[in-house]
Amino acid sequence: QSALTQPRAVSGSPGQSVTISCTGTSRDVGAYKYVSWYQHHPGKDPKLVIYDVSNRPSGVPDRFSGSKSGNTASLTISGLQPEDEADYYCCSFAGNHIFYVFGTGTKVTVL
Amino acid sequence: QAQLQQSGPGLVKPSQTLSLTCAISGDSVSRKSAAWNWIRQSPSRGLEWLGRTYLRSRWFNEYKPSVESRITINPDTSKNQFSLQLTSVTPEDSAVYYCAREGEDGGGAFDIWGQGTLVTVSS
Repeated sequence: QSALTQPRAVSGSPGQSVTISCTGTSRDVGAYKYVSWYQHHPGKDPKLVIYDVSNRPSGVPDRFSGSKSGNTASLTISGLQPEDEADYYCCSFAGNHIFYVFGTGTKVTVL
Repeated sequence: QAQLQQSGPGLVKPSQTLSLTCAISGDSVSRKSAAWNWIRQSPSRGLEWLGRTYLRSRWFNEYKPSVESRITINPDTSKNQFSLQLTSVTPEDSAVYYCAREGEDGGGAFDIWGQGTLVTVSS
């Protein structure tokens, strides 16, 4: 099972919006509603920012939103803040044999 | 707020067994709406889910197929913790290992993570 494909890096100025794509297949992203997104600051543990494609855990700012179309999921950060600079990873359920597969990771830079 | 505290050696010799423990506070390894996972991260493989244990009508263990022959994840209800054992390690098993809770939302919503343990496989 290959990792989900994400762009290596995206960037934006404070206040702008950035969108990170996460491309899988019809056996993972396209098949299930179980796509989650994680924010990872180096040296810290990953933080869940989106689960079940578009749900935000309590405490996560509403500038983080998620969506899915076909085999591609997306994370959008609206109104980019300096503290949003981090690595972001998607994760999808891939059935009761593979279970979970992560994305390749995207570095978000706030210019 | 639940917390996970990892412990275990940071250096393991090739062909030996990697053993890590994740102690749970503020939650229970026996809670029937949670699952307890091990995930690792390395520069070459990125984030990689390894397996999980959880209690429903009985205890279940599920593992990534590529490591299934080498991995064991066990709950310890008396100490409210769970463990990872990975046998016959090679340098490719060098990574930061995380334990993580999958809450009632399920579906890969890993909402609480341990602090991570850097494990190096080297003689």
